[in-house]
Amino acid sequence: GAGVSQSPRYKVAKRGQDVALRCDPISGHVSLFWYQQALGQGPEFLTYFQNEAQLDKSGLPSDRFFAERPEGSVSTLKIQRTQQEDSAVYLCASSFYGDSLYEQYFGPGTRLTVT
Amino acid sequence: GDSVTQMEGPVTLSEEAFLTINCTYTATGYPSLFWYVQYPGEGLQLLLKATKADDKGSNKGFEATYRKETTSFHLEKGSVQVSDSAVYFCARHPLGGGADGLTFGKGTHLIIQP
Repeated sequence: GAGVSQSPRYKVAKRGQDVALRCDPISGHVSLFWYQQALGQGPEFLTYFQNEAQLDKSGLPSDRFFAERPEGSVSTLKIQRTQQEDSAVYLCASSFYGDSLYEQYFGPGTRLTVT
Repeated sequence: GDSVTQMEGPVTLSEEAFLTINCTYTATGYPSLFWYVQYPGEGLQLLLKATKADDKGSNKGFEATYRKETTSFHLEKGSVQVSDSAVYFCARHPLGGGADGLTFGKGTHLIIQP
């Protein structure tokens, strides 16, 4: 594809529901990042994949958050038992490689609202 | 931990004014530095970057110089346009270490009035 795509673009969940957010990176990009952006704040790092390997998940806020990239391409961020504080825009980014010399390309984000 | 601090917004300027948005970073390691821009209704886009001290990144008339002595990476533009209205984010990334994501500042909302 031409860029990073994410679906759904908007998600409303009732507190306690599970949600799954999808990211389709740019074809051939080895590295994939997830970020969480609260209203009025900058994005905050959640987790990083190199191919199918999750090399860093230090930013995941709790064990309710889980991410996977089983075939080294599409990634899914899953949030179990959603809470109101999970309301945010979830951004996915991909790059040719994880090194900072390579630009990260961002998707449009999924806006999650937990009611 | 690593952090980026940038000036609070909104910043409101008239068209053709000179722009400076301040950004400072923690000096741990040898980070690369970035400015990202988010136009209304669009996703984050890389505006410019610098990977080592004294490097100057530039794009679309914007410039920023990597200043190690002051741990700063201020964004400047000589003459802003209405189309520059957006939210600007300063960010850092450890050089070489791919297992960390970008660390962003909180963003500065820039409003340019005609």
